[in-house]
Amino acid sequence: DVKVTQSSRYLVKRTGEKVFLECVQDMDHENMFWYRQDPGLGLRLIYFSYDVKMKEKGDIPEGYSVSREKKERFSLILESASTNQTSMYLCASSAHLGTGGDEQYFGPGTRLTVT
Amino acid sequence: AQRVTQPEKLLSVFKGAPVELKCNYSYSGSPELFWYVQYSRQRLQLLLRHISRESIKGFTADLNKGETSFHLKKPFAQEEDSAMYYCAHQTGANNLFFGTGTRLTVIP
Repeated sequence: DVKVTQSSRYLVKRTGEKVFLECVQDMDHENMFWYRQDPGLGLRLIYFSYDVKMKEKGDIPEGYSVSREKKERFSLILESASTNQTSMYLCASSAHLGTGGDEQYFGPGTRLTVT
Repeated sequence: AQRVTQPEKLLSVFKGAPVELKCNYSYSGSPELFWYVQYSRQRLQLLLRHISRESIKGFTADLNKGETSFHLKKPFAQEEDSAMYYCAHQTGANNLFFGTGTRLTVIP
């Protein structure tokens, strides 16, 4: 059973703080993703990584960076948190299986509030 | 650019009634389409994918390339089907593009 865990369920930070969101998966998946989930906007991809030390920008990378030093861990970093980054953040992982598309396994989410 | 459109933000049906959640995509190639579901206080999870052509929890989704649609259907809705449903389209780069979601409420 795939397990994707996120370091915090709830987080409250002040504007300007540096914020780290951690994600760990235990299924040796190559691909890892960070999304934010906002009502009426669905899920939007921030960054993804298809290998250690590799990263690709998603649809909304501005204000975020990521780090993947180990295969099982993918970190999302908010260099200077702003109130418009208040959101639910979802981490996901997948193995690349070829045609037909790859199921993504999601973590429980981190609800971040920036005040 | 790849886009997935779910025109209904909210959908309410009575228990036992048929339900259809609409999804349209824009992509000129061979699409790889999914439906994901998020039940209350649970994590987002895969419901079904078009290539498997199977029924999950009574739900089916047929790819219609002519109409570029991948609507999710169930003939008789149950209360436990109440959830948030997302249609998603994967590109070759392992990216999933999600729609904005439809919240389904099944009224007892």
